[in-house]
Amino acid sequence: GESVGLHLPTLSVQEGDNSIINCAYSNSASDYFIWYKQESGKGPQFIIDIRSNMDKRQGQRVTVLLNKTVKHLSLQIAATQPGDSAVYFCAEKEGSGNTGKLIFGQGTTLQVKP
Amino acid sequence: NAGVTQTPKFRILKIGQSMTLQCTQDMNHNYMYWYRQDPGMGLKLIYYSVGAGITDKGEVPNGYNVSRSTTEDFPLRLELAAPSQTSVYFCASSPGRAPRGGDTQYFGPGTRLTVL
Repeated sequence: GESVGLHLPTLSVQEGDNSIINCAYSNSASDYFIWYKQESGKGPQFIIDIRSNMDKRQGQRVTVLLNKTVKHLSLQIAATQPGDSAVYFCAEKEGSGNTGKLIFGQGTTLQVKP
Repeated sequence: NAGVTQTPKFRILKIGQSMTLQCTQDMNHNYMYWYRQDPGMGLKLIYYSVGAGITDKGEVPNGYNVSRSTTEDFPLRLELAAPSQTSVYFCASSPGRAPRGGDTQYFGPGTRLTVL
């Protein structure tokens, strides 16, 4: 069946360093992927998304890379700041149906050390 | 726009009580979703709706019911609360395929529910 999983539950980085959060997915037919940031006590917040016809997409300080060959997704955060400390979830759109349903991974906790 | 709003923020229920979690969005989105998030876990889909009058079960629908009488509102009903329903509940919406495209889901702030 479909699954979205993250390689590491917790990532600790030094302030100012770059962060890379990884995600594996199993459905090769998935055509849409999204990264969310969830701060403590809040709802998930959209960071960046990417469609399967792209390999890379950049936002402000964030980059998402999609490797369809190995079904791998990563989120890169440049110059990590204390405000980046949160849980990060990747999600894939379920199949090709018209429901818009997303399948979420377990999440990676990013800890930024001052 | 206020986006997705949820009420209440917190609630404590006794076993067997019932309640309705409210969700409203003002973005004219067709699609709406209810998720639960247990501590240290990801999001599990409870129910979803692709338009007014249309609802369908997600991954974990047992013990819950929904209705979608308007585009804006998507309430979640717990009829007989059980300790296993202690969780944080999130509502989300997305534009959907028709008439507007867009798969990004936008989330509300959540309702923290404890059943004792």
